[in-house]
Order: sequence, then C-alpha cells, then structure tokens
Amino acid sequence: EDKVVQSPLSLVVHEGDTVTLNCSYEVTNFRSLLWYKQEKKAPTFLFMLTSSGIEKKSGRLSSILDKKELFSILNITATQTGDSAIYLCAVEGGETSGSRLTFGEGTQLTVNP
Amino acid sequence: NAGVTQTPKFQVLKTGQSMTLQCAQDMNHNSMYWYRQDPGMGLRLIYYSASEGTTDKGEVPNGYNVSRLNKREFSLRLESAAPSQTSVYFCASSSIGFIQYFGAGTRLSVL
Repeated sequence: EDKVVQSPLSLVVHEGDTVTLNCSYEVTNFRSLLWYKQEKKAPTFLFMLTSSGIEKKSGRLSSILDKKELFSILNITATQTGDSAIYLCAVEGGETSGSRLTFGEGTQLTVNP
Repeated sequence: NAGVTQTPKFQVLKTGQSMTLQCAQDMNHNSMYWYRQDPGMGLRLIYYSASEGTTDKGEVPNGYNVSRLNKREFSLRLESAAPSQTSVYFCASSSIGFIQYFGAGTRLSVL
C-alpha cells in the first residue's frame, strides 16, 4: 500500500522565519511527487518533482526530491502571514494505470505577525 | 477561467437521504477524481475516472457511486447518507503530467 508521511503536522512561526516541511514516501513505481498549498478552499499546485537533486524554485518557495532516501522537502524563506495554509504532499505511483495521487496528512503552517 | 466547478458548496442532509454532488471541468482533461478530506486524514480518493466511459474505485469507495456523464462532468452520489460521510468533498481533474486541479469543495454535514 502506498504511503506518504508529512512532518511536522503543525508548525507556528513568526514572520520572517524560514521553515522546512518534510515529506517521506513509500510507493511502488514512483513517477512524481507534488506539493500543494491549501488555504481556505481548493488545494493549489506548487511544484512537481520527478528527478533527484534538482531544485524547483518559485519566489520564496523551493523544493527538492531525494529518490534514494524517498523524501522531499519544501522550504519557505522569509515567511509572511499569507503563507499560512495547509501544505500537502502527494505522490503519483503504484500498480494501477492513470494518474492517481496518494496524499499525506498535510502540514498546517501558521505564520504570526 | 472557471477550471473545476463543484455544486453545491454546502449541504446538510439527514441520515438516509440521498444526494448527488456535481463536478464539471472546462480544461478538456481526460481524468477526473473525487476526494474527501477529513481532519488529520489528508485527501483520500473515493473514485476516479481515467477517461470518459471508465470509472474505478479509490481508497474509500464504500457508500458512494459515480457517473462520468461526458468528458466534462463527473458526479458523486450518496444513496443513503450516514454521519460518517460528513466531510469536505473535492473534485479534481488532470491531463498528462499528473498535475491535478481542484474545485472549491463541497462541505457536507449528515445529521
């Protein structure tokens, strides 16, 4: 059974701090790992990672994948209150065909002013 | 720029009632999905449709049925709602590359 574990489950920081969110996975036939940000409603796509060691970057957010150790990290530098959200990690893989994602529980990030 | 549209946004049901959640996407995606999200559980896949005319069970299909009406629309039906089905339901769609795009969600309460 495919499994995705995120840590920490909850994190409270002050504006300007840097945070690192973790995602480890066990999945057969790994194809990709995705990060989503969920504020009040729909999860919105952040990154898709398929290759080890190649950093994806968007503004203050960056992410990297380690396919040997089976984990990914999402870094947010100089955090702002608008970064407060649930961050979801999902992995595409498994026995079945088609695009099926297995999600972790999410990390609830709260950024205080 | 509609993307994925879900209706209704909120619903309250009594135990045993039935209802259908509607989902439509305008991105010409082949695949569509229904998830439920419960506190501390992340998103769990209920059913998905890899392409028009096909549907498959996900992780938590019991108590639900789906219909892929055409390429745009994918509905989720609760035949006899139970309190355990109180949740937030998300529809998503994707094309190649595995990036799924989500609707705004339906918050369902079953009393």
